[in-house]
Amino acid sequence: DSGVTQTPKHLITATGQRVTLRCSPRSGDLSVYWYQQSLDQGLQFLIQYYNGEERAKGNILERFSAQQFPDLHSELNLSSLELGDSALYFCASKKGSSGNTIYFGEGSWLTVV
Amino acid sequence: AQSVTQLGSHVSVSEGALVLLRCNYSSSVPPYLFWYVQYPNQGLQLLLKYTTGATLVKGINGFEAEFKKSETSFHLTKPSAHMSDAAEYFCAVSDWEGGSEKLVFGKGTKLTVNP
Repeated sequence: DSGVTQTPKHLITATGQRVTLRCSPRSGDLSVYWYQQSLDQGLQFLIQYYNGEERAKGNILERFSAQQFPDLHSELNLSSLELGDSALYFCASKKGSSGNTIYFGEGSWLTVV
Repeated sequence: AQSVTQLGSHVSVSEGALVLLRCNYSSSVPPYLFWYVQYPNQGLQLLLKYTTGATLVKGINGFEAEFKKSETSFHLTKPSAHMSDAAEYFCAVSDWEGGSEKLVFGKGTKLTVNP
């Protein structure tokens, strides 16, 4: 158990819908990362937050957004869902300094039908 | 930007045989390198990491990796494979941008261990 908690574990939804994935980082970790894992793209970095502020942005679609709340939990919002958005979405967290280990949650499986 | 290439998307070994998973990186700065493992239907678990210091890094479950700057490689090895090692393995490099660090992953290598 990495200490990073993601909910829901599995989600099936229809095209055009909107979903929210939730992440609770490890206790004391200020950085939260979101990654998308799909068969064709592999593990892709989406976005990072540090202590409530956006720090880095990767290949995140405009239909996707995220935020980190004062209690440090984070949410990834996916809207106008398409079949191609079906993937495993990982949240990860770490303490602030460089070289520290990034710990991953078990992921949220999203299936868009 | 940093990048990682994992040679071989699938590797198959016999139980008890040497495991060698290859990883080459591209980095404009001294790299921090990582190996993660993903068991079926599970998340990513850190096996080992190299930041500075000794170039031979030992990790969990008997795995180790050697950082070779001249070859820009960070190959993962285990002397004797167990059935429980069957999983997908990802090599990653730290990428710094705008004062923020993230991981860039390779495409992964699926390891099959045959009895």
